[in-house]
Amino acid sequence: GIQVEQSPPDLILQEGANSTLRCNFSDSVNNLQWFHQNPWGQLINLFYIPSGTKQNGRLSATTVATERYSLLYISSSQTTDSGVYFCAALSGGSYIPTFGRGTSLIVHP
Amino acid sequence: DSGVTQTPKHLITATGQRVTLRCSPRSGDLSVYWYQQSLDQGLQFLIQYYNGEERAKGNILERFSAQQFPDLHSELNLSSLELGDSALYFCASSPGGLGKNIQYFGAGTRLSVL
Repeated sequence: GIQVEQSPPDLILQEGANSTLRCNFSDSVNNLQWFHQNPWGQLINLFYIPSGTKQNGRLSATTVATERYSLLYISSSQTTDSGVYFCAALSGGSYIPTFGRGTSLIVHP
Repeated sequence: DSGVTQTPKHLITATGQRVTLRCSPRSGDLSVYWYQQSLDQGLQFLIQYYNGEERAKGNILERFSAQQFPDLHSELNLSSLELGDSALYFCASSPGGLGKNIQYFGAGTRLSVL
């Protein structure tokens, strides 16, 4: 099945800094999502982005399907951005998304 | 609010016991997924149902079982519980087709086996 790798595994930032999280996948995808798991454990949908670019406030995401990667940009980070960011990819005829192991982000005030 | 409802939010029980976790999907979604997330681990896919039928199975233990009912809510049954079953259990729902198939997650059930 498809392999999904995220980098970096850990990231520590000061409030106000920008960051880029990466998700590489081993096969073509027809579905890619980014999630944020907050410190209370809730998984929140950020983007559905199998290709192209989307923006939502301080967050934006770009997926280059032909090169098999997706990027999540966080600008002017805030302490509430802390948590783990997961990407999940779906390929071919599969109904089951494959999740990466996540990027753990800590934003210090 | 994702629209996916999971109950209970927390569950504390003893080894050897049996528990049932419940999930109500978003309105209109036909597919339900169950995941397990142990401490500092990623999301492990357990099982998927689509419109009442099992569609895919992951590394789900034989002590675990699930079903999806005609009203599309789903239950995950965990029996003969062991300490290692302590984890966060998530349910997600999606429309279920092969096209745009966005998953939305419930808030999870935190299971502690003592």
